[in-house]
Amino acid sequence: EPEVTQTPSHQVTQMGQEVILRCVPISNHLYFYWYRQILGQKVEFLVSFYNNEISEKSEIFDDQFSVERPDGSNFTLKIRSTKLEDSAMYFCASKLAGSTDTQYFGPGTRLTVL
Amino acid sequence: GQQLNQSPQSMFIQEGEDVSMNCTSSSIFNTWLWYKQDPGEGPVLLIALYKAGELTSNGRLTAQFGITRKDSFLNISASIPSDVGIYFCAGQLKDSNYQLIWGAGTKLIIKP
Repeated sequence: EPEVTQTPSHQVTQMGQEVILRCVPISNHLYFYWYRQILGQKVEFLVSFYNNEISEKSEIFDDQFSVERPDGSNFTLKIRSTKLEDSAMYFCASKLAGSTDTQYFGPGTRLTVL
Repeated sequence: GQQLNQSPQSMFIQEGEDVSMNCTSSSIFNTWLWYKQDPGEGPVLLIALYKAGELTSNGRLTAQFGITRKDSFLNISASIPSDVGIYFCAGQLKDSNYQLIWGAGTKLIIKP
């Protein structure tokens, strides 16, 4: 069964460094998402991406964040200058199309900022 | 902003017992999803609900989308040890194609 994959599974970085989290959505899906989950808290929406542009973003997704679909398969989340509070699990999700299609989630990347 | 109120926050039950959890909101959703998350892993979709009043089962799991599209419940019958985990409700707002709004989760713990 097709699945969303994410790499790396765990990323440790120093505060102020740039990180790129990678996702490979399910191949025929058209909508892509990033969410984050701070340890012990609920999942929070960051950004959605469709037709090579951002569709919607939350307040969390400030100028330090950017997303890109550099080729036909990868979907990346870049954090330019990481802060301690960026430490969280970051989940990528993808959806086929249409408002009733469900979002399928990857296993997540645990980002630890020291 | 929109919120999903999920309850209970946690449940301690005996193996074999039935479990019930629910989510409510003041907003109308066009899609309601129930996910399970195991420690260190991503959410896994359990049940998706699309129509008001829809009742859907997936094995021992049953979920219903409220008539008003503002609430949903998830029942687990005859719980087993592998049911342990955190259950999240998530809704996609009416007229939105994008973000999911998430509940805070219900942690299910099964007493041996």
